[in-house]
Amino acid sequence: GQNIDQPTEMTATEGAIVQINCTYQTSGFNGLFWYQQHAGEAPTFLSYNVLDGLEEKGRFSSFLSRSKGYSYLLLKELQMKDSASYLCAVPSTGANNLFFGTGTRLTVIP
Amino acid sequence: GAGVSQSPRYKVAKRGQDVALRCDPISGHVSLFWYQQALGQGPEFLTYFQNEAQLDKSGLPSDRFFAERPEGSVSTLKIQRTQQEDSAVYLCASSLVVASGNNEQFFGPGTRLTVL
Repeated sequence: GQNIDQPTEMTATEGAIVQINCTYQTSGFNGLFWYQQHAGEAPTFLSYNVLDGLEEKGRFSSFLSRSKGYSYLLLKELQMKDSASYLCAVPSTGANNLFFGTGTRLTVIP
Repeated sequence: GAGVSQSPRYKVAKRGQDVALRCDPISGHVSLFWYQQALGQGPEFLTYFQNEAQLDKSGLPSDRFFAERPEGSVSTLKIQRTQQEDSAVYLCASSLVVASGNNEQFFGPGTRLTVL
């Protein structure tokens, strides 16, 4: 089977840096996705990692360690608009759909 | 429009009623997915279409749930005899290609279904 663990909630201060962790168990690893979802809105794609290491994209970076079954999303220079849920997901084994974690609800405070 | 659209955005149904939820994927996208998202949870897979063919319906929770995509574009998710546990946001997603891996899915805003 598959399993994804990520913290349920996090709070961080505007302008700071926050790291959202995700651990996963899956057979036949085929990459890991991060999506952002504002309340009442569609999830939007942030990143896809298939190789180990850090990928930076503006204020957001995503890290993957396949040997540890671990990823994190790093958000720098936090802004109020970054308050959202962050979803970690992997492709389902032998299927085309995504298997999601429960999401981490991030609240940015002034 | 450039994105995935869904209608209605909100639906209130009395227990036992049938509902139909519509998804308009991005034009030309081969793959279409339906997910169910309960409050405070991540999306859970329901069913998958490749063009008009429903290739995977393993996530449908009961035979009261039915989905179709007859012409390979617009899709409808139908729920018969709705129950309170069906209350959730129903998300539709589409992707351009079939191959797994870096198969970015584009999501619609969802339909929030409330069953009273």
